[in-house]
This record gives sequence, structure tokens and C-alpha cells, in this order.
Amino acid sequence: AQSVAQPEDQVNVAEGNPLTVKCTYSVSGNPYLFWYVQYPNRGLQFLLKYITGDNLVKGSYGFEAEFNKSQTSFHLKKPSALVSDSALYFCAVRDSTDSNYQLIWGAGTKLIIKP
Amino acid sequence: NAGVTQTPKFQVLKTGQSMTLQCAQDMNHNSMYWYRQDPGMGLRLIYYSASEGTTDKGEVPNGYNVSRLNKREFSLRLESAAPSQTSVYFCASSGGQLGLGGGYTFGSGTRLTVV
Repeated sequence: AQSVAQPEDQVNVAEGNPLTVKCTYSVSGNPYLFWYVQYPNRGLQFLLKYITGDNLVKGSYGFEAEFNKSQTSFHLKKPSALVSDSALYFCAVRDSTDSNYQLIWGAGTKLIIKP
Repeated sequence: NAGVTQTPKFQVLKTGQSMTLQCAQDMNHNSMYWYRQDPGMGLRLIYYSASEGTTDKGEVPNGYNVSRLNKREFSLRLESAAPSQTSVYFCASSGGQLGLGGGYTFGSGTRLTVV
């Protein structure tokens, strides 16, 4: 069965430091991977995706993510955190063999950037 | 601005009451979705519509019905609300093959409380 795990409920980072939000997945076929961000009282916003090709994917707001097939991971990273990056981050996966085309979502990780 | 519009933003229902959540998108997307978001559980798919005229059950369809009224509109109905349906509901849409293109676009959510 498809699944996504975000092992950290919360990540605390000082402003200016690099940040990493972790995501691991399990699928039968090839993974299609996504990161979304949710600011308070807002809907989710698309950040980036991995479908195929280069393992390092660049997205919005200076975020990037690295696909690691052997570790079944898709960690979100940013070289220098901003206070405005504080939000809830969701990882999602779709299995290429899933004919229902459904995204499976992680439980979310709250990112707190301290000044 | 182009996007996904949900109404209402807030609603309080008594147990047993019915209501319809409205969703409309103006991006000419084929696919639309209804999710609920509960603390610590991420997003769970209630129903989705791959294209106009089709609807399918997601992970948690019990207690809900949907209507894909036309390409723009996808409504969610609670026939007899229960306290377990207290949640934040999000509508989303996507172009291309169910989200493989530019990702999902989410509405701002409906916060529903059933007392």
C-alpha cells in the first residue's frame, strides 16, 4: 500500500540557518512526489514536484528537494531560513501504478523559524 | 484572481442538519477534489471528480455526497451532520493528468463545526 511519513511533527530552526523537513514514502511503482505549504488559515500551496529526471528539484520561495530512490526519501531543504518560512509543510506521493491517480498525504510538519 | 473559491468560510451546524459546501474553479481544470483536514492526520480525500460528469469515492466518503455540476463547480453535501464531521474542508483542482502537471490548486477552506 502507498504511504507517506513525515517523522517530525515540528522542526525548529534559527533564521539564516539551513533547514530540512523530512519525508519518506512507500509505493509499488514509481513515485510522483510533491511538497505543499500551508500558511495559517489558508489553503495549501504547491511548492515543487518530482516526476522524473534530475534528483534535485527546485521550487518556489528558494526551496528545493532531493529525491533519493535507495532511501525512499524526498526531503525538503532551504539553504537559509527566513522567519516568513514558518508554516505547515506537507509531503504527498502518487504511485505510478495507481489507476485512481490519488495523492497520499503525510500528516504535515510544522516549521518554526526563530529570529 | 484566478483560483479555487469555496463558500462558506465558516459554518456551525447542529447534529442532523444538512448543508452543501460550494466550490468553483476558473482555471479550466478537469479534475476536482474534496479533502478534510484534521489535526495530526494530514489531508484525507473524501471524493474526487476526474472530469466533468464523473465522481469517485476517496478514502473517507461515508456521510458525504458530491455533485460535479459542470466543469467549474464541484459541491459537497452533508445530508445529516455528525460531530465526527467537524473539520476543515478543502476543495482543490488540477489540470492535466490528475495533478501531474502544475500540482493542485486549493481553496482557502471551510471550517465546519457540528454541535
